[in-house]
Amino acid sequence: GAVVSQHPSRVICKSGTSVKIECRSLDFQATTMFWYRQFPKQSLMLMATSNEGSKATYEQGVEKDKFLINHASLTLSTLTVTSAHPEDSSFYICSAQGAGNQPQHFGDGTRLSIL
Amino acid sequence: KQEVTQIPAALSVPEGENLVLNCSFTDSAIYNLQWFRQDPGKGLTSLLLIQSSQREQTSGRLNASLDKSSGRSTLYIAASQPGDSATYLCAVSQGNTPLVFGKGTRLSVIA
Repeated sequence: GAVVSQHPSRVICKSGTSVKIECRSLDFQATTMFWYRQFPKQSLMLMATSNEGSKATYEQGVEKDKFLINHASLTLSTLTVTSAHPEDSSFYICSAQGAGNQPQHFGDGTRLSIL
Repeated sequence: KQEVTQIPAALSVPEGENLVLNCSFTDSAIYNLQWFRQDPGKGLTSLLLIQSSQREQTSGRLNASLDKSSGRSTLYIAASQPGDSATYLCAVSQGNTPLVFGKGTRLSVIA
């Protein structure tokens, strides 16, 4: 089946650091990638939708200058949390979708902890 | 705006029991519905995907049903095992749009 690789799986860093998370579709072309955030014991909240070669569409309340998304190719999207602070600590999950209403396939998530 | 609700929020059952998890959605114009499993601190594993034209899907001890007109789906787990302990998420798709997730049901199967 379709595989989505998300890296790194765990990040611990100091406040003020910028952190980049990668999401790769390994065996299919992902025309759309989604980034979700999940707080403990909560469900996944969509942060943004990115289509290859175009700017990401952010959900209301998500700062686009804080969470930079790049989807430069059909197999790679990145999320950069700029100048991270403790309140940005969370579990971030990406998903990738091929063209034509294909199912979304999810990465294993990244646990981000800002000290 | 689509909203997905899952009941119960948490469930604890003894090993071997059959159980049902419930999911409801407010907008019946969906393309498909998926059930996922999430272990603590991990990503999502897709369990079953039901297209809007289908009534149910089965995989091993899992059976998911869909009643699109009433906005409901159930996930039936037969002969539960401790390894089934996880959070189960229901999500609906309305096409090339992001999945809308419920808050999940945290299942504990006690040996």
